[in-house]
Amino acid sequence: ETGVTQSPTHLIKTRGQQVTLRCSSQSGHNTVSWYQQALGQGPQFIFQYYREEENGRGNFPPRFSGLQFPNYSSELNVNALELDDSALYLCASSADRVDTQYFGPGTRLTVL
Amino acid sequence: DQQVKQNSPSLSVQEGRISILNCDYTNSMFDYFLWYKKYPAEGPTFLISISSIKDKNEDGRFTVFLNKSAKHLSLHIVPSQPGDSAVYFCAARKKGWGKLQFGAGTQVVVTP
Repeated sequence: ETGVTQSPTHLIKTRGQQVTLRCSSQSGHNTVSWYQQALGQGPQFIFQYYREEENGRGNFPPRFSGLQFPNYSSELNVNALELDDSALYLCASSADRVDTQYFGPGTRLTVL
Repeated sequence: DQQVKQNSPSLSVQEGRISILNCDYTNSMFDYFLWYKKYPAEGPTFLISISSIKDKNEDGRFTVFLNKSAKHLSLHIVPSQPGDSAVYFCAARKKGWGKLQFGAGTQVVVTP
């Protein structure tokens, strides 16, 4: 059974650019949640996708958007990058919306 | 608005002794609680969870205790092993919601 995978591992962008992060769910999981983890803090919920539809959103601006595909993989898109967007972005998949979430290794984004 | 708090940023414990990690929450709507462990350069790994209808849950060396009246939970690790050295996050969820709210984490160091 393959776990949650994320790509790329690391990414460096400049302010104002756009970025797309990718996540492959664990086999059999139909729900993906995205989190942002700043240094020294716990993960902060960005949004959740269930069967290709957004199912809840945290306190993040609209320039953070997402997609979930029919195979339940997912993308996180961030437009107009700001310095404060530098963080570890974590994807978690679950068998259903309220089941235990299993995390991928994360993508480290640095915005210069 | 930090609704889940881990007030001890770090904990040092000798190998073989008990590690006790604490977590407090403020939102009485939380009905499910989880502990995750995180090694550097990896995503959080699910350890153990507890529903609000229980006050204790055990899994091997890990036991979670929930005191709803005090809005407090704790994770006991017995006996502590060097491989337990990691950051531990407490997380909470409201009934029917997929969003996890995390504490800031506690760094555990197990010394020989």
